[in-house]
Amino acid sequence: DQQVKQNSPSLSVQEGRISILNCDYTNSMFDYFLWYKKYPAEGPTFLISISSIKDKNEDGRFTVFLNKSAKHLSLHIVPSQPGDSAVYFCAAKVGGNTGFQKLVFGTGTRLLVSP
Amino acid sequence: DAGVIQSPRHEVTEMGQEVTLRCKPISGHDYLFWYRQTMMRGLELLIYFNNNVPIDDSGMPEDRFSAKMPNASFSTLKIQPSEPRDSAVYFCASSSRLKGNSPLHFGNGTRLTVT
Repeated sequence: DQQVKQNSPSLSVQEGRISILNCDYTNSMFDYFLWYKKYPAEGPTFLISISSIKDKNEDGRFTVFLNKSAKHLSLHIVPSQPGDSAVYFCAAKVGGNTGFQKLVFGTGTRLLVSP
Repeated sequence: DAGVIQSPRHEVTEMGQEVTLRCKPISGHDYLFWYRQTMMRGLELLIYFNNNVPIDDSGMPEDRFSAKMPNASFSTLKIQPSEPRDSAVYFCASSSRLKGNSPLHFGNGTRLTVT
């Protein structure tokens, strides 16, 4: 049973436009959410995160929005660049004193930004 | 900082053979994780260690899988005997709880193909 779902396996966007990657979750005990970015033949790298007490976190071109009532979060990339082409994983952790030991990942969305 | 180092990068083996994947975490990190990536299930946590001690192996799919961490700078994931359904990319990751719940740092993975 997938607790973190990324229903769009792929997304194509033109350079300069906005990319919106979506993630839904089912476990209301999640208290922290992360996005990881993965290039081919490399491991995932941390991109941006958000605590469940916030609804928005921004870092340069990347913004994550959290809608707790809908159990939905999204990653916005503005403007999109060809170098953003990668697989993006949404991840979540259960609240409490567990740290990041029990991250639950989605299946990933492949973003292709064309020039 | 050399990052998390995994070997080999690729492994092709025949069904029934033993496979050993290796990982060197980032120096000073006290947590080590083994993940498996598949198209259907995304990134799944197999097992994690804290200070070289296995804490949670509930993600290990079967008794054919075993993991060890004999010291702070080395871990192995062994599959014996291997089966075609074990084909996946296996990632090792490490983190430091002392650094304020720092996100996981992943290695570049081992792509395992079992024929």
